[in-house]
Amino acid sequence: EVQLVESGGGLVKPGGSLRLSCAASGFIFGNAWMSWVRQDPGKGLEWVGRIANKTYGGTTDYAAPVRGRFTISRDDSKSTLYLQMNSLKTEDTAVYYCTTAGLGLWGRGTLVTVSS
Amino acid sequence: DVVMTQSPLSLPVTLGQPASISCRSSQSLVSSDGSTYLNWLQQRPGQSPRRLIYKISNRESGVPDRFSGSGSGSDFTLKISRVEAEDVGLYYCVQGTHWPHTFGGGTKVEIK
Repeated sequence: EVQLVESGGGLVKPGGSLRLSCAASGFIFGNAWMSWVRQDPGKGLEWVGRIANKTYGGTTDYAAPVRGRFTISRDDSKSTLYLQMNSLKTEDTAVYYCTTAGLGLWGRGTLVTVSS
Repeated sequence: DVVMTQSPLSLPVTLGQPASISCRSSQSLVSSDGSTYLNWLQQRPGQSPRRLIYKISNRESGVPDRFSGSGSGSDFTLKISRVEAEDVGLYYCVQGTHWPHTFGGGTKVEIK
């Protein structure tokens, strides 16, 4: 079955860190460009960032609100995508979705709550 | 960043009647490769978003043909020919031509 399964969300204090994982199955993960998208009920959907496949150097791009604080990486041997989130702010509270870069496949999401 | 403006915000529709959602971008979405990367997403209550339409008018596999996308440049439309109960939810346009990719604010489709 083609699917993406996120994990690692939870409650964290402002300034803290969290690492999200996304396990992919049912397709050739190593060929895929991947993205993280988040959804804050008050603000709708927001692209967090993306990572290219190794053919394109595995380069990353980030949205301005997270640049310098978040890092996307991938382990193609494990078919897993990661999102390392540092210096978290209350405004980072959202459901985080793992998606293929063209948005054709979505995970169920994992909730990150940043609160003291 | 490219701003995606959707209208209306809320769309009450009678079952079996048509519905139309507009999406306008602050700049052209025609890419240097000639393609226009404009997608439509559907998010049913309590579910993740799913892609309905890609590159303006291409339906995903399994999407009913009552959904259709059209438009060009910076002006796009999603139409539902006859709304069914399962179509209730949020609909988003999203552009993938310019980085960062950006989403419209969403249109809530509900049954009258």
